[in-house]
Amino acid sequence: DIQMTQSPSSLSASVGDTVTITCRASQSISSYLNWYQQKPGKALKLLIYGASTLQSGVPPRFSGSTSGTDFTLTISSLQPEDFATYYCQQGYSGPLTFGGGTKVEIK
Amino acid sequence: EVQLVESGGGLVQPGGSLRLSCAASGFTFSSYWMHWVRQAPGTGLVWVSRVNSDGSSTIYADSVKGRFTISRDNAKNTLFLQMNSLRAEDTAVYYCARDGKTVATVFEYWGQGNLVTVSS
Repeated sequence: DIQMTQSPSSLSASVGDTVTITCRASQSISSYLNWYQQKPGKALKLLIYGASTLQSGVPPRFSGSTSGTDFTLTISSLQPEDFATYYCQQGYSGPLTFGGGTKVEIK
Repeated sequence: EVQLVESGGGLVQPGGSLRLSCAASGFTFSSYWMHWVRQAPGTGLVWVSRVNSDGSSTIYADSVKGRFTISRDNAKNTLFLQMNSLRAEDTAVYYCARDGKTVATVFEYWGQGNLVTVSS
């Protein structure tokens, strides 16, 4: 199975900050990496697929990049509605696996 | 608007059975692969199972293989997960998710989840 190691597990940030979350795959997954946002009581939301393609309707302050097996989600100018938990997921091969999650909290 | 609404969860004893449903609307259900993903309390997301668009092909995580069965009724726009021989470690919120029809698997839309508690 492909292991997805996500870091940090949590972070504190202020409105307006730029936040970076990293996901490392245990083997090559090409660019088949997706990012999701989870808020309590709400359905999970797809933010980015294919490592860097923004899902329709997602604000452009969210962006994704890749370097080998390392993937990064960047949130520029953090907004109050961005405080949530974020997960990466590899879609390269089964079983599909997720990172452990990163909780973004208000400083 | 795409909507996925899970139901059928609840409290069940170890060894018992439960059938989850996921009612889909706002899209052509029969055109999309569908998945179940679960999340144990306070932990991360774990993929459980996938069914293709006509129900002819299914795959499962090793942890549920032989105990869970995914199926769908395209006439009723509904996805199912039959869960047998339930264990305490199956306690989780279960989400149905629609596949994104991209080259690789993307969970494009999610339901709000349904809690299954396995306990005596």
